[in-house]
Amino acid sequence: NAGVMQNPRHLVRRRGQEARLRCSPMKGHSHVYWYRQLPEEGLKFMVYLQKENIIDESGMPKERFSAEFPKEGPSILRIQQVVRGDSAAYFCASSHPDGNQETQYFGPGTRLLVL
Amino acid sequence: LAKTTQPISMDSYEGQEVNITCSHNNIATNDYITWYQQFPSQGPRFIIQGYKTKVTNEVASLFIPADRKSSTLSLPRVSLSDTAVYYCLVGDSGTYKYIFGTGTRLKVLA
Repeated sequence: NAGVMQNPRHLVRRRGQEARLRCSPMKGHSHVYWYRQLPEEGLKFMVYLQKENIIDESGMPKERFSAEFPKEGPSILRIQQVVRGDSAAYFCASSHPDGNQETQYFGPGTRLLVL
Repeated sequence: LAKTTQPISMDSYEGQEVNITCSHNNIATNDYITWYQQFPSQGPRFIIQGYKTKVTNEVASLFIPADRKSSTLSLPRVSLSDTAVYYCLVGDSGTYKYIFGTGTRLKVLA
């Protein structure tokens, strides 16, 4: 299965710890997007990356959150000094420019629980 | 980005056809309409995308009237496994900030 992969699927952290979420895009895809979803809500855009570049991080909180997509390896969403309000499902999507519309394909998500 | 409006929830029975309508009155000329399906504890799954008239694939059909101010996702003969949240998204080729509303919660009953 060459779909978007995310790990871990579940992550438990105590307040103040760091959370690292990983995303491997679909084969051949060079664009990665991160979204956050709170219970009973729709997904909210956080950041859009291409290899080694952050294209748009307008949805990212200004502090404690960062994202990267290195030349080699998965994309990483890092949350430093987590707080309870960071508890959510974090989804990664990837796309490949294919003309008229870049359809995004989503991974299974990482569920972060901050105790 | 055009705002979309969908019913919050719908119930149906197995074997019925389900039609979910999405309103997007401010859709722009270059905007496409995309539908996603999300099961609990899973990421959204792409269902179908269209620009005008009718699009059909192995999963669903998408009907878009001439004025494109609304679209209807049609699921033929639903089964219990079609119980999910369905999202309608609108955006042009440069859109990458998908805006997910609360979607439509479809419950299929036996």
